[in-house]
Amino acid sequence: KTQVEQSPQSLVVRQGENCVLQCNYSVTPDNHLRWFKQDTGKGLVSLTVLVHENDKTSNGRYSATLDKDAKHSTLHITATLLDDTATYICVVGDRGSALGRLHFGAGTQLIVIP
Amino acid sequence: EAAVTQSPRSKVAVTGGKVTLSCHQTNNHDYMYWYRQDTGHGLRLIHYSYVADSTEKGDIPDGYKASRPSQENFSLILELASLSQTAVYFCASSDAGTNNQAPLFGEGTRLSVL
Repeated sequence: KTQVEQSPQSLVVRQGENCVLQCNYSVTPDNHLRWFKQDTGKGLVSLTVLVHENDKTSNGRYSATLDKDAKHSTLHITATLLDDTATYICVVGDRGSALGRLHFGAGTQLIVIP
Repeated sequence: EAAVTQSPRSKVAVTGGKVTLSCHQTNNHDYMYWYRQDTGHGLRLIHYSYVADSTEKGDIPDGYKASRPSQENFSLILELASLSQTAVYFCASSDAGTNNQAPLFGEGTRLSVL
């Protein structure tokens, strides 16, 4: 059973617009949640990590929130650029160390058009 | 610069043939992982290792073997490749620490079994 669900599956926005990606999960325990960016044909690159209840992070035009009670996270991308075209993957870790398991979502494919 | 290098980047194999995927990391990380990525699914863990000369089964180990001859190198072996093993394979490495450190991913190997 899929423990990390992402929505939407795909999204097309115009350059300069904002967008919001959603992640719902059922992983227990949920030590932390990380968002990765995967460019086409490339590996995953970490954007941000959220650890605490009601955590919020900001990394340039990327910002994220985590609600551990609701087991829900959002990734906001502000003023999108063409280079933001990629798949964004939500990953929930059940421990804070490498001993834990990582649970991957299938990703949201974002396409930014001129 | 920290890096995870996979080879080959793409491979076409015949059903029943032997395939070896290689991974090399320069991060001085103890943990290394092999994942597979299928369209529409999250990454799934095949094998991992936390020390040289030792490997552990992940969530989907059937049909795969792994080898960790040194801290830097981790191989994935398909003794008898099957059509269902067509996928993109990712190697990753991580520190064993407890600070929610992000694993570092290679750029993937696209395997097509015909």
